[in-house]
Amino acid sequence: SQQGEEDPQALSIQEGENATMNCSYKTSINNLQWYRQNSGRGLVHLILIRSNEREKHSGRLRVTLDTSKKSSSLLITASRAADTASYFCATDAGNAGNMLTFGGGTRLMVKP
Amino acid sequence: EAGVVQSPRYKIIEKKQPVAFWCNPISGHNTLYWYRQNLGQGPELLIRYENEEAVDDSQLPKDRFSAERLKGVDSTLKIQPAELGDSAVYLCASSLFGADSSYEQYFGPGTRLTVT
Repeated sequence: SQQGEEDPQALSIQEGENATMNCSYKTSINNLQWYRQNSGRGLVHLILIRSNEREKHSGRLRVTLDTSKKSSSLLITASRAADTASYFCATDAGNAGNMLTFGGGTRLMVKP
Repeated sequence: EAGVVQSPRYKIIEKKQPVAFWCNPISGHNTLYWYRQNLGQGPELLIRYENEEAVDDSQLPKDRFSAERLKGVDSTLKIQPAELGDSAVYLCASSLFGADSSYEQYFGPGTRLTVT
């Protein structure tokens, strides 16, 4: 079973626009991570936010976490065609040694 | 630094045949994971190893799936016999879990299995 649910399932934007993806989860967490997957490839870790953090930045990425609402968002600013990929949130409940539960993903298409 | 290596990249077999996937994790990583990813969905954990011990295999269909991680390094995942519903991408990941863990998992490119 998958703990997280991403919204929207698919997103299409123009290059230069911002892309926002949301993730909701069900149980309490130790940390939440975002991964990117290009077509036919494995997942690549983007950013991790701990349960006691509310916002984190990495380059053009901004992640927020609201533990009271059990939700997180990933913002990609000034998107590029190369950002086209699927993005997954993954939760670590912290009770089983770095075990992640992934959501269903958001498929992002950035048109040049 | 070499990443997680998986082979084969693609495999097509007929139902009821056996199949095996191999994974070589990043050197020094003590934790290894096997995931299954169905089309359009996120990865689902099948089994997790800490060194050579399987510490979480609750999602592994034990009637047909088996895995091993000899010497706490390479790992093999086997399906025997394969069913049509086993068609998916099988991903291997590794991480260094412990006091200094960054909690990041490193994924291989996966093996795409098609059962006909």
